Amino acid sequence: DIQMTQSPSTLSASVGDRVTITCRASQNIGRWLAWYQQKPGKAPDLLIYDASSLESGVPSRFSGSGSGTDFTLSISSLQPDDFATYYCLQFNSYSPTFGQGTKLQIK
Amino acid sequence: EVQLVESGGGLVQPGGSLRLSCTASGFTFTNYWMLWVRQAPGKGLMWVSRIDGAGRTTSYADSVKGRFTISRDNAKKTVYLEMNGLRAEDTAKYYCARDRGIEVAGPFDPWGQGALVTVSS
Repeated sequence: DIQMTQSPSTLSASVGDRVTITCRASQNIGRWLAWYQQKPGKAPDLLIYDASSLESGVPSRFSGSGSGTDFTLSISSLQPDDFATYYCLQFNSYSPTFGQGTKLQIK
Repeated sequence: EVQLVESGGGLVQPGGSLRLSCTASGFTFTNYWMLWVRQAPGKGLMWVSRIDGAGRTTSYADSVKGRFTISRDNAKKTVYLEMNGLRAEDTAKYYCARDRGIEVAGPFDPWGQGALVTVSS
């Protein structure tokens, strides 16, 4: 199975900050990667797919980049609604795998 | 509106069985792979199982293989997860989701609201 290593596990930041979350795949997954935001008690929401495509309705302060094994999710100017947990997902294989998650909390 | 609604969660004793259902609306159900993802309390997301649009091809995470069975009834636009031999470590919220890809794999979207399964004596 493909392992996804996501970092950091926790990130403290302030409104207006720019933050970056990374995911590293244990083997080449091309651009078969998505990013999700999850708030407590809710299902995950799709932010980015195919590594860098912004999902419809998602604010443009979210962006994704990378290919192969290294990927990043960036949020350009944090808003109060952005404090949540973020997950990457590789869907390159028949056994999709998620990163461990990054909890983005207010500093 | 594309929507998924799960049902069937609950409390079950270790070794017991439970069947989850997920009913879809707002899209051509047979065109899409469907899948289940679970999240243990306070933990991350884990893919559990998937099934193709015709209901002929399935796959499972190693931790549930041989105990869980995914199936679908395309006439009812419903996908099922039959869970047998349940263990305490299967306690989780189980989400149904659609693989958005048609010709090729896609991200999981949308997701249902989740069904809570608690395995305890």
